Amino acid sequence: AQKITQTQPGMFVQEKEAVTLDCTYDTSDPSYGLFWYKQPSSGEMIFLIYQGSYDQQNATEGRYSLNFQKARKSANLVISASQLGDSAMYFCAMREALGNQFYFGTGTSLTVIP
Amino acid sequence: DARVTQTPRHKVTEMGQEVTMRCQPILGHNTVFWYRQTMMQGLELLAYFRNRAPLDDSGMPKDRFSAEMPDATLATLKIQPSEPRDSAVYFCASGKGDSSRGSTDTQYFGPGTRLTVL
Repeated sequence: AQKITQTQPGMFVQEKEAVTLDCTYDTSDPSYGLFWYKQPSSGEMIFLIYQGSYDQQNATEGRYSLNFQKARKSANLVISASQLGDSAMYFCAMREALGNQFYFGTGTSLTVIP
Repeated sequence: DARVTQTPRHKVTEMGQEVTMRCQPILGHNTVFWYRQTMMQGLELLAYFRNRAPLDDSGMPKDRFSAEMPDATLATLKIQPSEPRDSAVYFCASGKGDSSRGSTDTQYFGPGTRLTVL
């Protein structure tokens, strides 16, 4: 089974609107971390936000927030007030407490329309 | 502003040549990861190290790829001989690898090496 599933290959959003990028994960480890990375056309991978499995609150970092629904095993990224510079690929990732390996999803391509 | 550095940023070589990619992890980080990214396969983990020791290199084609950490400030990924199918972007990432915190460690990526094998 896929550890990380991103079902939206491509998404479009109007500038200044909010957008949600979906991510579901699969693990039997009670302790894990969830991450989102942004990859603009320049190619670098930029860390955006982290959520721990035991965190009670949803993580927020500026315009990014993580909608963490543990029972559903989902960790959706919400970008508020989209900007043109948000156009990029977005990758969801997970790390289990046992081991150092990161599991990445296939990514969602976000295009912000002016 | 601490960053992972990778050299070279771009490499074009001919099939059969040796390629060496270098990575300098963030000072104080003790885990290093090598990834390969292609359009077809996405991000693939090739190898990772903790405290300079290889923990997993099952993602690497063993006959031609090798990864090492000669010291804490340098990780290398070598391909010998290179083949056109090795053309990809190779990323290095590092993390603190604090086992006491379990899963909270964040990986920070370098800018990548774009490899083209003709």
